[in-house]
Amino acid sequence: NAGVTQTPKFRVLKTGQSMTLLCAQDMNHEYMYWYRQDPGMGLRLIHYSVGEGTTAKGEVPDGYNVSRLKKQNFLLGLESAAPSQTSVYFCASSSFSGVRDTQYFGPGTRLTVL
Amino acid sequence: GESVGLHLPTLSVQEGDNSIINCAYSNSASDYFIWYKQESGKGPQFIIDIRSNMDKRQGQRVTVLLNKTVKHLSLQIAATQPGDSAVYFCAENPRGGGADGLTFGKGTHLIIQP
Repeated sequence: NAGVTQTPKFRVLKTGQSMTLLCAQDMNHEYMYWYRQDPGMGLRLIHYSVGEGTTAKGEVPDGYNVSRLKKQNFLLGLESAAPSQTSVYFCASSSFSGVRDTQYFGPGTRLTVL
Repeated sequence: GESVGLHLPTLSVQEGDNSIINCAYSNSASDYFIWYKQESGKGPQFIIDIRSNMDKRQGQRVTVLLNKTVKHLSLQIAATQPGDSAVYFCAENPRGGGADGLTFGKGTHLIIQP
């Protein structure tokens, strides 16, 4: 049981390049999330998904797109990377019980945009 | 704007002492709160949670206290150990346990002195 995994761990992009970050979970969770974390800041929600085939915008969605084609995977895409997107990206998943919303996080992807 | 915050960015304690990390929130509608621990280079790890119908909840060496009157949350760590050194985030779900993500505070860096 690996929990939540993220690929890649590190990436350097040039301004204008595109890339996709992959998140996978093996806990059969319905809900998945993408956050970004900037120095000295808490995590901010980019996009989330409440089930296969669904996505929704979070607090800071601009410049990102997501897809949830399979229940266990949640992809985050940057179509045209900008230096302001330099950050550490975390994926999380949860099994919403209606009572609690404990989210389990992956190890993160450190992205640098030059 | 951010609805969850912390009083201190850094807290230094002696090994073996008790640690108290504080968090203030502003959203009266929040009814679920979580404390996460984030070690350097890793994703946030769930520590303990509490719902708004409770004032106190205890785990292994950790206690969370919730004061709804002044919108204050605290995490107490008993007999602090070197392995407790990390950044601690409080998070809230302002939508009553809904699935659209958590709002995080900026974090308190707990430093353990020998």
